[in-house]
Amino acid sequence: EVQLVESGGDLVQPGGSLRLSCAASGFTFKSYAMSWVRQAPGKGLEWVSSISGSGGSTYYADSVKGRFTISRDNSENTVYVQMNSLRVEDTALYYCAKGQVASAGFIRFDPWGQGTLVTVSS
Amino acid sequence: EIVLTQSPGTLSLSPGERATLSCRASQSVSNSFLAWYQQKVGQAPRLLIYAASSRATGIPDRFSGSGSGTDFTLAISRLEPEDFAVYYCQQYGSSPLTFGGGTKVEIK
Repeated sequence: EVQLVESGGDLVQPGGSLRLSCAASGFTFKSYAMSWVRQAPGKGLEWVSSISGSGGSTYYADSVKGRFTISRDNSENTVYVQMNSLRVEDTALYYCAKGQVASAGFIRFDPWGQGTLVTVSS
Repeated sequence: EIVLTQSPGTLSLSPGERATLSCRASQSVSNSFLAWYQQKVGQAPRLLIYAASSRATGIPDRFSGSGSGTDFTLAISRLEPEDFAVYYCQQYGSSPLTFGGGTKVEIK
């Protein structure tokens, strides 16, 4: 069974940094792209970032480009997102999700983890 | 960027009724790379349909997807109590990946 477990969410001040982790199991991790998708409280879904199976290709939403960095450790079956210069509008539940192929350009999300909450507030 | 517009915003129906949800794209979705997700309160989204009309593993056949180009539909033939939830469409045919705003299916 595929399992994705996110961690690292916390309360952080505007301008601060945070690193989220997603530990994966139940599949050949390096063979699949991974993504982060967020959901602000009471709002819809927003794609944040994706990374290819090898880690060689990364993609970002314009809203986070230059502030967030996605990475993965295929030896640890874990994907990360380093979030810098956090803003109030980054407050959301951050989900980790598995892609259907190794390339990260055009992927759907299945399955999803349960999410980790990031709150940006002073 | 492809903007996805879902309608209606809320659908009020009774168990056993048929639900029809719409997702309209601002430009053609390449290869019909359109997915539908279900999200229940307090839970993560779950993939229902991919490539516009293919059911994901374990999804009951009362869920069906159709459409191409800019107009897509998710149909639920007979609503079960567990189907009352929010449904999102997502296009993955071009970058950036985008979601619709969601349709809430509520009990009438």
